Amino acid sequence: AQSVTQLGSHVSVSEGALVLLRCNYSSSVPPYLFWYVQYPNQGLQLLLKYTSAATLVKGINGFEAEFKKSETSFHLTKPSAHMSDAAEYFCAVRRGTASKLTFGTGTRLQVTL
Amino acid sequence: DAGVIQSPRHEVTEMGQEVTLRCKPISGHDYLFWYRQTMMRGLELLIYFNNNVPIDDSGMPEDRFSAKMPNASFSTLKIQPSEPRDSAVYFCASSLALAGGYEQYFGPGTRLTVT
Repeated sequence: AQSVTQLGSHVSVSEGALVLLRCNYSSSVPPYLFWYVQYPNQGLQLLLKYTSAATLVKGINGFEAEFKKSETSFHLTKPSAHMSDAAEYFCAVRRGTASKLTFGTGTRLQVTL
Repeated sequence: DAGVIQSPRHEVTEMGQEVTLRCKPISGHDYLFWYRQTMMRGLELLIYFNNNVPIDDSGMPEDRFSAKMPNASFSTLKIQPSEPRDSAVYFCASSLALAGGYEQYFGPGTRLTVT
């Protein structure tokens, strides 16, 4: 069964510092992987997706993620955090051949001055 | 382009009352998903439809919950009777399988409070 694990329910970084949010997946087939962001009182917004093309995926707002099969990881990074990046971030994996997604438990990113 | 539209955005009701949440998916999308989000349980998939047909309702918590999709542009999630533990944010999402990416597009959610 496909699943994702997000390490760290809360991450705090200083403005301008590197953002690293961790996601490990479990999948018996080549996975489709996603990162979503949720700002307060809003729905989830797609940041980026991996669909077996390039292993380094660039998304919106300066975020990117690298698919590493050997580590079963899909970590999200941003070189320099901005206050507006404060939000909750969800990693998700497509469940097999279905169109369902399995979401991680989320990581809340706090950005401090 | 209009995204997924949900109404109402906020609903406050008393225990025992019927609640109906509405969703309009992105035009042309063939999958529609209903989720519930709470602090305790996170994001839960309740039910999803493909071409207006319910495919998997295993996430629907109880018989008090029902969902319909009478046409490609409209879906409802009904709770009858409502209970305080149903208080949550309910999201609708849609996707297009033919696009091959399987990404889902979420609506803004309906915040339900049952007193």
